[in-house]
This record gives sequence, C-alpha cells and structure tokens, in this order.
Amino acid sequence: QKEVEQNSGPLSVPEGAIASLNCTYSDRGSQSFFWYRQYSGKSPELIMSIYSNGDKEDGRFTAQLNKASQYVSLLIRDSQPSDSATYLCAVYNTNAGKSTFGDGTTLTVKP
Amino acid sequence: DTEVTQTPKHLVMGMTNKKSLKCEQHMGHRAMYWYKQKAKKPPELMFVYSYEKLSINESVPSRFSPECPNSSLLNLHLHALQPEDSALYLCASSQSPGGNEQFFGPGTRLTVL
Repeated sequence: QKEVEQNSGPLSVPEGAIASLNCTYSDRGSQSFFWYRQYSGKSPELIMSIYSNGDKEDGRFTAQLNKASQYVSLLIRDSQPSDSATYLCAVYNTNAGKSTFGDGTTLTVKP
Repeated sequence: DTEVTQTPKHLVMGMTNKKSLKCEQHMGHRAMYWYKQKAKKPPELMFVYSYEKLSINESVPSRFSPECPNSSLLNLHLHALQPEDSALYLCASSQSPGGNEQFFGPGTRLTVL
C-alpha cells in the first residue's frame, strides 16, 4: 500500500462544475496535509493546507480532512479551464520527518 | 520577497562534467529541500537541510552533493551524472522543518548527455 494514494484520474469536468479530488494516507499519525497544483512544465504551487478535521475554504477551493478515515479531499467550485493541471496531495509523516506526495490527479476542465 | 529562485533554468551536461545548481530564498525560512521530478511523476525528496544542517539524505547517490552555505542559499553539486539523472530539480523552503508549508522554486531542467 502506498503511503499516499490519489484517485487515478485523469478527471474531466465541464466548466462551471465542481471538481472533487481525493487522497488517502496510511500513517495515522500524520498531522499536516497539503494540496499543490502543478501546471505542465512548471513547479508545484501550494494552494491549500489543512491541519485539523473539517473543512477549510479559500475562494473556490475547499479542503476537507477526516483523520479517522485517513482521508483528505479538495473541492474546486465553478471550475475554470485555467484550473486544468495536476493536483498533488502531500502528507507530512511525523515519524519520518518528511512529506510524502501522492502520484497526482490530472484535472481537465472543458469549456 | 516571497519567492524561491533557482539557477540555471536549464542545464545540459555531459557525464564527465561538474556543475552546480543554486537555490535562494529570502523569506527567513530555516528548512530547505532538494527534490527530483521525472515526467508524470511526483516530486521525489533528495535532501533536507534544517537550520543549515543536513537532516535527511534519502540515500541519494554520491554523484549528487548538497551544500548549504547559509540560511538563504542551497546548492546541489553534480559530478559524473548518468543520463537517467535527467529530470526537473526542484528546490523548496519552509518556515521550519516539521510539517510546514513548502514553497517551491521554478526548478532547473537538467539533461545529461
């Protein structure tokens, strides 16, 4: 089992729809969770961080964390073509002292 | 200043060359990272510097040699690389080690001939 798993994708949604990206992790002691967006040929850009159970909203983005289920998700409301990118989930492993990235989910928003 | 800079943007080198990648941040961050990223794969951690000391070395071959001259600078010295080392090399920094948000530089696209 991978330490961090993301839904395999690719994910395609129409413009204006809600895109839902999911991530599960294996280390129950993980404390910090991050979503990065990476455009093709560019470096990852941090878009959300979440540390406690529940929802965290920032503009069109909502991160949801459920530590009991070891699950973190990212919702993108009113998806735009400019949201088309690969989204990476990263989980900080307290024991290892480092973050582990999932393989990423590629999102395409169609006009 | 809220960015991480990396030079050069692109680098082509032969297997016998010696080159260095440079990374700089002026955010007062005390943790700095080197990652390697191959196409369509996630970033792969290579090294972590915490308060200018090497804290994590992910069993990276010795042909990669990191250096942290001060709290703002991070170098990656390259020697006798192999073609399979061709990748995007990313530098990142965070306020402190231990689960903080990491901010990435634009990366250096390395090609080894």
